[in-house]
Amino acid sequence: KNEVEQSPQNLTAQEGEFITINCSYSVGISALHWLQQHPGGGIVSLFMLSSGKKKHGRLIATINIQEKHSSLHITASHPRDSAVYICAVLMDSNYQLIWGAGTKLIIKP
Amino acid sequence: DAGVIQSPRHEVTEMGQEVTLRCKPISGHDYLFWYRQTMMRGLELLIYFNNNVPIDDSGMPEDRFSAKMPNASFSTLKIQPSEPRDSAVYFCASSFRLAGGTEQFFGPGTRLTVL
Repeated sequence: KNEVEQSPQNLTAQEGEFITINCSYSVGISALHWLQQHPGGGIVSLFMLSSGKKKHGRLIATINIQEKHSSLHITASHPRDSAVYICAVLMDSNYQLIWGAGTKLIIKP
Repeated sequence: DAGVIQSPRHEVTEMGQEVTLRCKPISGHDYLFWYRQTMMRGLELLIYFNNNVPIDDSGMPEDRFSAKMPNASFSTLKIQPSEPRDSAVYFCASSFRLAGGTEQFFGPGTRLTVL
């Protein structure tokens, strides 16, 4: 079993829809990252959080430490949101980053 | 700040050749990470440095891979000799302090193709 599980693996939605991507982990962590990778390959850090909720524009990230679960939400989705979204956790034991497999999101106009 | 800078952006080489990838972290960051991304294995941490000192190189696949950080503003990842299975995108990232309070900032990556 992978230590970081993301769901869904693939998601196709229409422009304007509310998007939710989930991340569950099984190890003790000090922080969780959400990253975005565009088709060109570059990786952008969206959020790093260790508790609660963060918001940046149309993006919202939440984490429940007790449940070992995080969600990334996109409101009013747009085709330019099409990318792979990756969840990565920073282990509290050795500071290793463990990556999820990513969620490929396609937003159709 | 220009962010993390990597060069070259693309590298095509023949099997057996030496490949050197370069990274300039964000000024003031004291941690530097090298990652490799492949379709089969996703993102893997190869090695990371703190204050120019290698801390954990357990992700380095084999002795053909070596990484150095001669100063706070420059790091290299070298593959010698290169093999086709080394073809991947190599990312460099930097951060200020490693504990849960900071993010890693990624470079644009170097796409390596070994023929």
